[in-house]
Amino acid sequence: GENVEQHPSTLSVQEGDSAVIKCTYSDSASNYFPWYKQELGKRPQLIIDIRSNVGEKKDQRIAVTLNKTAKHFSLHITETQPEDSAVYFCAASHHTNTGNQFYFGTGTSLTVIP
Amino acid sequence: NAGVMQNPRHLVRRRGQEARLRCSPMKGHSHVYWYRQLPEEGLKFMVYLQKENIIDESGMPKERFSAEFPKEGPSILRIQQVVRGDSAAYFCASSQGTGVSEQYFGPGTRLTVT
Repeated sequence: GENVEQHPSTLSVQEGDSAVIKCTYSDSASNYFPWYKQELGKRPQLIIDIRSNVGEKKDQRIAVTLNKTAKHFSLHITETQPEDSAVYFCAASHHTNTGNQFYFGTGTSLTVIP
Repeated sequence: NAGVMQNPRHLVRRRGQEARLRCSPMKGHSHVYWYRQLPEEGLKFMVYLQKENIIDESGMPKERFSAEFPKEGPSILRIQQVVRGDSAAYFCASSQGTGVSEQYFGPGTRLTVT
């Protein structure tokens, strides 16, 4: 089955700096890679995703890159703000004849220091 | 609001009682996933269902836990004879299940066993 590893587990950055979170996966069949942000006491929220036919995707201050050959993908947050402080989860998924299973990383706790 | 709905949001049970958690998927979604999350920990997959069918229950404990998604009505996660270790947040998520599709989370049910 799929194995998703996520690093680092904790990350502190100064406000305005960039933050990078990295994930690796093991199953070459995985072709969809979402990222979730979970604030304290809230639900995980989908913030950006990338499919395997694309190498990079941007949405304002966040971007995701995918390297299919190396089986890794990364979340980049630029110009970080205190409200970016949260736990971020990566996931890998692919469609089979029974549906879509999602495999999650263990999470990264990001703290943005004002 | 056509988002994923969960109820109750908070549930308190005494040891030995039963807990029933309900999840209504997003409109147009026919696949439901249940996850458990302990404080400051990651998302632990429990079970993946479509209507009237369990696709993957590899993450669910063999005893006391069961899940269903009937033809009509919400998906239900049932925990019999609850113990203190069952205290956690239980999140439901849904997806279309056809092709590569996004997964969206409900607000969660916070179960406390006293």
